[in-house]
Amino acid sequence: DAKTTQPTSMDCAEGRAANLPCNHSTISGNEYVYWYRQIHSQGPQYIIHGLKNNETNEMASLIITEDRKSSTLILPHATLRDTAVYYCIVRVTLNKLVFGAGTILRVKS
Amino acid sequence: AAGVIQSPRHLIKEKRETATLKCYPIPRHDTVYWYQQGPGQDPQFLISFYEKMQSDKGSIPDRFSAQQFSDYHSELNMSSLELGDSALYFCASSLPGQQETQYFGPGTRLLVL
Repeated sequence: DAKTTQPTSMDCAEGRAANLPCNHSTISGNEYVYWYRQIHSQGPQYIIHGLKNNETNEMASLIITEDRKSSTLILPHATLRDTAVYYCIVRVTLNKLVFGAGTILRVKS
Repeated sequence: AAGVIQSPRHLIKEKRETATLKCYPIPRHDTVYWYQQGPGQDPQFLISFYEKMQSDKGSIPDRFSAQQFSDYHSELNMSSLELGDSALYFCASSLPGQQETQYFGPGTRLLVL
């Protein structure tokens, strides 16, 4: 699975959009980009995934650049409950998730 | 909606003891995954089962074993416990053909004294 690079931490004002970047410059053609988050000491939670098209669901939007070397997770209206560690994972295997060092997002009022 | 159930939620053991962690996947989910998260660390994949057969293996110590039963629940058996085994142990499950989306349980917090 390709390696990902994310900022260590980010702050976001409550009610504003949170944009979390992820670099995956070594991604191969059949690897998907997945986003999970982990609220303190809880089990990780699936957010969204995509291959090359932008994706949107009830939780977030995923924007993948045309060359697929980076992506951005967008939480359109961040709330205090969105404070968590956000993991960008690139994988081809359908079994294990390989969690790297994610981004600590702090949503502040 | 039903979620993944893990038991016990908390467990305290002495060094060299054994522990068994249980995981009950969401109904109709046929694949189970186990992860270990040490203090201040990211979750690390241990092992997974699909239709009662081991499907993938990660950094699981030889002292640990796991299996999936006919009702799809899974048990992680840990023997000769060491202080370093103190961690959160998460179980996740996924639907048939949808292994890309894993649903995690609340975890079992194991403390080895």
